[in-house]
Amino acid sequence: DAGVIQSPRHEVTEMGQEVTLRCKPISGHNSLFWYRQTMMRGLELLIYFNNNVPIDDSGMPEDRFSAKMPNASFSTLKIQPSEPRDSAVYFCASTPNSGNTEAFFGQGTRLTVV
Amino acid sequence: KQEVTQIPAALSVPEGENLVLNCSFTDSAIYNLQWFRQDPGKGLTSLLLIQSSQREQTSGRLNASLDKSSGRSTLYIAASQPGDSATYLCAVVPHTGKLIFGQGTTLQVKP
Repeated sequence: DAGVIQSPRHEVTEMGQEVTLRCKPISGHNSLFWYRQTMMRGLELLIYFNNNVPIDDSGMPEDRFSAKMPNASFSTLKIQPSEPRDSAVYFCASTPNSGNTEAFFGQGTRLTVV
Repeated sequence: KQEVTQIPAALSVPEGENLVLNCSFTDSAIYNLQWFRQDPGKGLTSLLLIQSSQREQTSGRLNASLDKSSGRSTLYIAASQPGDSATYLCAVVPHTGKLIFGQGTTLQVKP
């Protein structure tokens, strides 16, 4: 398996634009997580899905952020409108099921909002 | 609320030293604990997973221990090498199923 695949790897956009980040989890994994990493705050969980259903979105910073998982092999994280403070590395991770299993991370998307 | 703390925040050692990285967590009700490595500009690579019923796991020169009752885990690296230089993160998985990370320990191994 190719692992968790994220795209794009890098994104530079202007403030106010819509940004969509994409994630393909490992085939057969039932749980998917979106994290944001910054120097100041470290790794923060934004949202996680189990069997394509959002279970916990308490980490989503505000209404400008939304996430979807239309099927077991694809998820998106959208920011609209984007702001400079959204600049960070966004990671997607998947596990075979929630709880007692090993998590695998993608390579991340480095987002810069200017 | 589960909180994870890693000490030290940074560590610099000469090549060949054995070293210990520490991770503590406030709520002992966890499913498992996982140690990751992150190289600059890269994603997280899983190193070791310890289930809540286990005391330790070993992989090569790495050994991770878990003491749930005291809320502590350690990552032991034997005979450190320059290639071990990276940031090491621990994450606990509580009953909610989501990983909660510490801030990491940045390790530099000098040749």
